[in-house]
Amino acid sequence: DIQMTQSPSSLSASVGDRVTITCQASQDIGYYLNWYQQKPGKAPKLLIYDASTLEIGVPSRFSGSGSGTDFTLTISSLQPEDIATYYCQQYDNLPRTFGQGAKLEIK
Amino acid sequence: EEKLVESGGNLVQPGGSLRLSCAASGIIFIDYWMSWVRQAPGKGLEWVANIKQDGSGKYYVDSVKGRFIISRDNAEKSLFLQMNSLKVEDTAVYYCVRVRNRGGVFDLWGQGTMVIVSS
Repeated sequence: DIQMTQSPSSLSASVGDRVTITCQASQDIGYYLNWYQQKPGKAPKLLIYDASTLEIGVPSRFSGSGSGTDFTLTISSLQPEDIATYYCQQYDNLPRTFGQGAKLEIK
Repeated sequence: EEKLVESGGNLVQPGGSLRLSCAASGIIFIDYWMSWVRQAPGKGLEWVANIKQDGSGKYYVDSVKGRFIISRDNAEKSLFLQMNSLKVEDTAVYYCVRVRNRGGVFDLWGQGTMVIVSS
């Protein structure tokens, strides 16, 4: 199975800050990497697919980059509503696997 | 409005069975792969199973193979998960998820249904 490792597991930032979360795959997955946002008590929501394509309706302050084994999710200017846990997920191989999550809090 | 609504979650004893259902509305159900993804209390996300548009292909995470069966009824726009020989570690919120891009992008999620396996 492909292991997905996110860092950091938790982080605290101020409104307006630039925030970066990384995701590393245990083997080359090309660009088959998605990012999800999960707010407390809610279902996850797709933010970015194929490493860098923004899902329709997602604010442009979210962006994704990377390929192969190393990927990044960036929030250019943190907003209070961005408080959530963020997950990466690969779909190069079965089983589909997720990172352990990165919990984002406001300072 | 595109919507997925799960039902069937419950408290069940270890070794027991449960059948989850998911009703889709506002989507062309037959066009999509569908999945179940679960989340144990306070834990991360775990993909459980995928099913192709016509039901001809079914794929499972190793931990549920031989115990869980995913199925669909395209006429009724419904997805199912038959869970047998349940274990304590199957306790989780189970999400019904629409999938695109060869079964890999989870783009529409239901609200989830809770399964608790406990004696």
